[in-house]
Amino acid sequence: QLQLQESGPGLVKPSETLSLTCTVSGGPIISSSYYWGWIRQPPGKGLEWIGSINYSENTHYTSSLKSRVTISVDTSKNQFSLRLTSVTAADTAVYYCAGERKDGYNYLYFDYWGQGTPVTVSS
Amino acid sequence: DIQMTQSPSTLSASVGDRVTISCRASQGISRWLAWYQQKPGKAPNLLIYKASSLQSGVPSRFSGSGSGTEFTLTISSLQPDDFATYYCLQSNTYSRTFGQGTKVEIK
Repeated sequence: QLQLQESGPGLVKPSETLSLTCTVSGGPIISSSYYWGWIRQPPGKGLEWIGSINYSENTHYTSSLKSRVTISVDTSKNQFSLRLTSVTAADTAVYYCAGERKDGYNYLYFDYWGQGTPVTVSS
Repeated sequence: DIQMTQSPSTLSASVGDRVTISCRASQGISRWLAWYQQKPGKAPNLLIYKASSLQSGVPSRFSGSGSGTEFTLTISSLQPDDFATYYCLQSNTYSRTFGQGTKVEIK
């Protein structure tokens, strides 16, 4: 049973960089069966996929954030991280990390989620 | 990017009702669709993956169907614990897209 836990600042100033880390426990991040992803949810709104990475650093990003997002993985710490640059108030959201299972057809779906961490962009 | 259109956005129903939520993809996605339930202040919970496979531990009153561009989540007999918001998620090799969500409210 995987467990994921987000950590990072809850307040970021406009134009600065948002940085979050997700710690995976209950299993290795080095797994051919998983990608590791970030999803966010602005207050009162729906879910938005940000991007995903696997242990060999293959990354996929949503096109709307691609120019500002970097997702990385640290296999020695069983962690993966999100960096979002040049933030604005529109980036205020609850940020979730999640484990994305890959089946034999390379179909991916998120089956384990962190509890989410709220991030506010404000001066 | 593939767009997902979910309907309705809000649904009012009573305990015991049969409930159907739809999700339409802007292009064919085979059966690469999942359904999630989210309650206020909580992370989403996986219900259905690959269009119709029931996630372990999820009650059998939840079912999914569809392929290509049209998908449906059905709750056969709505229970008090089912009042929540539901999202579909498409996944292809390089992108994922959530539907806008359907809030199931008490009638």
